[in-house]
Amino acid sequence: NAGVMQNPRHLVRRRGQEARLRCSPMKGHSHVYWYRQLPEEGLKFMVYLQKENIIDESGMPKERFSAEFPKEGPSILRIQQVVRGDSAAYFCASSPGVDTGELFFGEGSRLTVL
Amino acid sequence: GDSVTQMEGPVTLSEEAFLTINCTYTATGYPPLFWYVQYPGEGLQLLLKATKADDKGSNKGFEATYRKETTSFHLEKGSVQVSDSAVYFCALLYSSASKIIFGSGTRLSIRP
Repeated sequence: NAGVMQNPRHLVRRRGQEARLRCSPMKGHSHVYWYRQLPEEGLKFMVYLQKENIIDESGMPKERFSAEFPKEGPSILRIQQVVRGDSAAYFCASSPGVDTGELFFGEGSRLTVL
Repeated sequence: GDSVTQMEGPVTLSEEAFLTINCTYTATGYPPLFWYVQYPGEGLQLLLKATKADDKGSNKGFEATYRKETTSFHLEKGSVQVSDSAVYFCALLYSSASKIIFGSGTRLSIRP
């Protein structure tokens, strides 16, 4: 049973380009979360999605960032017009439901903005 | 709002030493509490959890007790190993159950 799969593992972009990060949750999991980890800092919640719905996006920056979890295919975190401050590790996690509180994390996508 | 505060790192110990990593929380009610561990280059994984006040979570020799009187969930291990070197995150399930909130993490290094 494959775990949470994230790709790409490493992504380099120049300022102003777009970054797309993909996340395939564990089989049977319909809840997806995105977190951002800045260098030497903790994890900051960004967004919580279920299939075709954004449930909580209170941690998403108001501009340039968007997320989706379509009926078919992986969840996508999209960052438009990247800036150097977007350089971070972006972690996706999935769970079968909200009640357990247990999240299963992917290995992360490390974005570097030049 | 709900939040988690962890002791600052890094923490460096010798092998077989006793470990305590402090964690306190602020929350409405008594939400489930967790410790996650992140090994180098990997994502987080659940280490242990306590779903209600006075519960004790344990795994791999680590323990933490949910203490509502002191709003704490300190992580302990009696004898650490080099393989325990990692970053440890305290966390709680937010009151609306829509997300897990993490502390800032504590980096632990164990020297042989």
